[in-house]
Amino acid sequence: DQQVKQNSPSLSVQEGRISILNCDYTNSMFDYFLWYKKYPAEGPTFLISISSIKDKNEDGRFTVFLNKSAKHLSLHIVPSQPGDSAVYFCAAESGGSNYKLTFGKGTLLTVNP
Amino acid sequence: KAGVTQTPRYLIKTRGQQVTLSCSPISGHRSVSWYQQTPGQGLQFLFEYFSETQRNKGNFPGRFSGRQFSNSRSEMNVSTLELGDSALYLCASSSGQAPMSGYTFGSGTRLTVV
Repeated sequence: DQQVKQNSPSLSVQEGRISILNCDYTNSMFDYFLWYKKYPAEGPTFLISISSIKDKNEDGRFTVFLNKSAKHLSLHIVPSQPGDSAVYFCAAESGGSNYKLTFGKGTLLTVNP
Repeated sequence: KAGVTQTPRYLIKTRGQQVTLSCSPISGHRSVSWYQQTPGQGLQFLFEYFSETQRNKGNFPGRFSGRQFSNSRSEMNVSTLELGDSALYLCASSSGQAPMSGYTFGSGTRLTVV
């Protein structure tokens, strides 16, 4: 049972445009949501997070939006740069005494110059 | 500040053998988590340790085990290796507090079982 889903395996955008990566979840107990970026042969790198009590969090070019009623979150990258090309993972945690991230299967973002 | 260090980076083992992987967290971090990444299943949680105590465990068979030492370094062990254990094993460290600051991952150990 996949509790965190990233339905788009890949996304291609032009440099300078907006990249929107989507994530859906089924477990209403999730309290925290995180986005990670991963290059080949490296571990995931933390990008940005959001608590379930918020609907938006912004950090530079990265903004995460959370729609709790729809159990949906998205990561916006503006403007997109070629160096952003990587696999992006959405992850969720229940908080409390959980200490466990549940990951989606990732979306490969390609930013074309 | 040194990152999360995992050793070895690559490992080839024969089916039926056992293997031990090592993880040194960021200095001051007392929580260490382990994840398995495979093409089919993605990133899956194995277990998490804090101050030498396992606080959570994922849905993996008992062949997968771990421990944490008093200096926060952690090891995971896989016994009686199967071909399906071939994967990238990732370790992550955190201060053990809120998840909002994220977990810092190492570069992983690529295990190949032949």
